[in-house]
Amino acid sequence: DAKTTQPPSMDCAEGRAANLPCNHSTISGNEYVYWYRQIHSQGPQYIIHGLKNNETNEMASLIITEDRKSSTLILPHATLRDTAVYYCIVIENAGNMLTFGGGTRLMVKP
Amino acid sequence: EPEVTQTPSHQVTQMGQEVILRCVPISNHLYFYWYRQILGQKVEFLVSFYNNEISEKSEIFDDQFSVERPDGSNFTLKIRSTKLEDSAMYFCASSESSSHTDTQYFGPGTRLTVL
Repeated sequence: DAKTTQPPSMDCAEGRAANLPCNHSTISGNEYVYWYRQIHSQGPQYIIHGLKNNETNEMASLIITEDRKSSTLILPHATLRDTAVYYCIVIENAGNMLTFGGGTRLMVKP
Repeated sequence: EPEVTQTPSHQVTQMGQEVILRCVPISNHLYFYWYRQILGQKVEFLVSFYNNEISEKSEIFDDQFSVERPDGSNFTLKIRSTKLEDSAMYFCASSESSSHTDTQYFGPGTRLTVL
């Protein structure tokens, strides 16, 4: 079973920041938080990952709370093409199997 | 940018037939995976493969399933005798290593329809 809890759906206005929360209260010290997304029926796409520090790349920012029990994925300027299901996944390293939960269905609206 | 490719994009087969789904992982990657997603359901892990052997497999990956890396580029998933419930999207993924700095990259998927 997935070790994370996410809201099933969220809306965001185009051009605004999308903030997607994730709870992972049972995360252990050597587990990383990964975010993937799935646009329609395409293959999941990696977005970002982190251990305890905040991370930023060209796609998004990841904010992890100090106790590591939750995190937020931030898409700074959401576009219509960001409409997708976003998955927060906790794993020990990249070689482990990915356990996908239900994710958050983000709808970006004009 | 290198990408994982899968063929065919859509496969239709009769129940009881054997199917082989093909994947070409990213060329310098060493870890390979298969996942599946039944329509409207979650993405589910099937199997991981490294150094020419299975590293992990899920309960779904029973004796009807097998994986193979027949040459230096292809990675295949075989379903020996397909059932109606095998209808799903099958995604191949690969990663360079099992380190936290490397992520799994997914292909576009093969839609398998069993009639």
